[in-house]
Amino acid sequence: ETGVTQSPTHLIKTRGQQVTLRCSSQSGHNTVSWYQQALGQGPQFIFQYYREEENGRGNFPPRFSGLQFPNYSSELNVNALELDDSALYLCASNSAGKFNEQFFGPGTRLTVL
Amino acid sequence: DQQVKQNSPSLSVQEGRISILNCDYTNSMFDYFLWYKKYPAEGPTFLISISSIKDKNEDGRFTVFLNKSAKHLSLHIVPSQPGDSAVYFCAASGLRGSQGNLIFGKGTKLSVKP
Repeated sequence: ETGVTQSPTHLIKTRGQQVTLRCSSQSGHNTVSWYQQALGQGPQFIFQYYREEENGRGNFPPRFSGLQFPNYSSELNVNALELDDSALYLCASNSAGKFNEQFFGPGTRLTVL
Repeated sequence: DQQVKQNSPSLSVQEGRISILNCDYTNSMFDYFLWYKKYPAEGPTFLISISSIKDKNEDGRFTVFLNKSAKHLSLHIVPSQPGDSAVYFCAASGLRGSQGNLIFGKGTKLSVKP
């Protein structure tokens, strides 16, 4: 059984650029959630995808967008990067309806200069 | 405004003793609570959970207690081991219309000394 994987591990961008982060869900999981973890904070929910549709969204601006593909993998896109977007971005997957059994990937560390 | 609070940023415990990590929440509509453990350079790992209809759940060395009237939960680790050293996050879920949205506290860094 393959766990949740994310790429890249680390990324450095400059303010105003755009970034795409990728996530492969755990085998058998069709729901993917994205979280942002700023330094010294707990993970904060960005949005969730189920069957390729957004299925819930946290308090993040529209420049944070996502996709889910037929194989349940997912992308997080952030446009017009700001310094405060520097954070660890975590992807979590779960099987349908089992929202309380989310399995997390190792995260992507994004630094915006 | 934080809905899930972990007021102790760090905790140091001697190996073999009990570790008690605390968590408070403000929204009485939460119906499920979880604890995650996080090592550096890894994602959070699920540890133990409890439904709001229960007041205790036990799994090996880990026990979670829920006090709904006080809106407080705690994680007990007995006996503590050096490998338990990690950041522990409390999370809550179940708000209507927000399924899958886990709301996390800021975490408590546990250090277990040999």
